[in-house]
Amino acid sequence: DAGVIQSPRHEVTEMGQEVTLRCKPISGHDYLFWYRQTMMRGLELLIYFNNNVPIDDSGMPEDRFSAKMPNASFSTLKIQPSEPRDSAVYFCASSQNGARETQYFGPGTRLLVL
Amino acid sequence: GENVEQHPSTLSVQEGDSAVIKCTYSDSASNYFPWYKQELGKRPQLIIDIRSNVGEKKDQRIAVTLNKTAKHFSLHITETQPEDSAVYFCAPNDYKLSFGAGTTVTVRA
Repeated sequence: DAGVIQSPRHEVTEMGQEVTLRCKPISGHDYLFWYRQTMMRGLELLIYFNNNVPIDDSGMPEDRFSAKMPNASFSTLKIQPSEPRDSAVYFCASSQNGARETQYFGPGTRLLVL
Repeated sequence: GENVEQHPSTLSVQEGDSAVIKCTYSDSASNYFPWYKQELGKRPQLIIDIRSNVGEKKDQRIAVTLNKTAKHFSLHITETQPEDSAVYFCAPNDYKLSFGAGTTVTVRA
């Protein structure tokens, strides 16, 4: 298996622009997680899905952030409009057999908002 | 998050010495206790985990011990090597799916 796939790996954009991050979980994993990592706040859980349904989005910072999972093999995290404070590394992870089991992380998307 | 605390936040050890990181949690319902390692610029990866029905687990130079009564578990690395330099996160499966703040381990050659 190729593991969790994320794209793009790097994104540089200007404040106010829309940013879309993409994730393909490991085949057969029915849980998908989106995390944000910064030096100041560490690794934060933004939202997670089970069988394509959002279960907990309490970590989504504000309405500018939205996430979708239209099918079992694809998810997006969108920021509109983006702000400099959104600059971070965004990780997608997937797990099997439960939200509270081993998570397999993708390589991350390094986002810089100027 | 505040439900999970890791200590110390940084740890510098001489190559060959041991390193111990402690994770304290608050959710008594937690029953799965993993440790993740994140090398610089890389993704977090599971290195060892333990479940609540076991007190200790070893895998070569790393081990995890669990004290459910006191609500803490620890990562032990023996005979440290330069490649052990990384950030280590604990992630007990509490109701918030929290990750600890991380411990930066530096192994001095």
